[in-house]
Amino acid sequence: DAGVIQSPRHEVTEMGQEVTLRCKPISGHDYLFWYRQTMMRGLELLIYFNNNVPIDDSGMPEDRFSAKMPNASFSTLKIQPSEPRDSAVYFCASSSAPNTEAFFGQGTRLTVV
Amino acid sequence: AQTVTQSQPEMSVQEAETVTLSCTYDTSENNYYLFWYKQPPSRQMILVIRQEAYKQQNATENRFSVNFQKAAKSFSLKISDSQLGDTAMYFCAFRGSGTYKYIFGTGTRLKVLA
Repeated sequence: DAGVIQSPRHEVTEMGQEVTLRCKPISGHDYLFWYRQTMMRGLELLIYFNNNVPIDDSGMPEDRFSAKMPNASFSTLKIQPSEPRDSAVYFCASSSAPNTEAFFGQGTRLTVV
Repeated sequence: AQTVTQSQPEMSVQEAETVTLSCTYDTSENNYYLFWYKQPPSRQMILVIRQEAYKQQNATENRFSVNFQKAAKSFSLKISDSQLGDTAMYFCAFRGSGTYKYIFGTGTRLKVLA
């Protein structure tokens, strides 16, 4: 398996623009997580899905952020409108069971100017 | 709510020496899972080692081992024979059996010196 695949690897956008980050989890994994990493706050869990259903979105910072998982092999995290304080590395991770580790993608470095 | 604390923001160690990274956590659950992840400059998150709370035996993976103290809620990582490639951020993580979220500490930046 190719692992968790995220795209794009880097994204630079202007304030106010819509940004969409994409994730393909490992085949067979039924949990999918979106994390945001910043120097100030570390790794924050934004939302996670189980069997394509959002289970906990309490970490989503505000209404500008939304996440979807239309099927077992694809998820998106959208920011609309984007702001400079959204600049961070966004990770997607997947896992297959509670007693296993999460497998991470390589992250998307988002810069909002 | 579960929390994970890493009290050492930065550490350094001489090549071939041994270093221990600290991690404490807080939970009311009895069954849970603990992990150490490594994040090198490439930013890829890589699993180093995993420990199930119901297992009394400390996990080991080659040069990496843990000291799991359930009563003290402590989960330290020992790296033996440190190598230059061990230079990275190390994150301690907790996953409960009742909730499937992975909660991460703030990380320890480890530098291995030649």
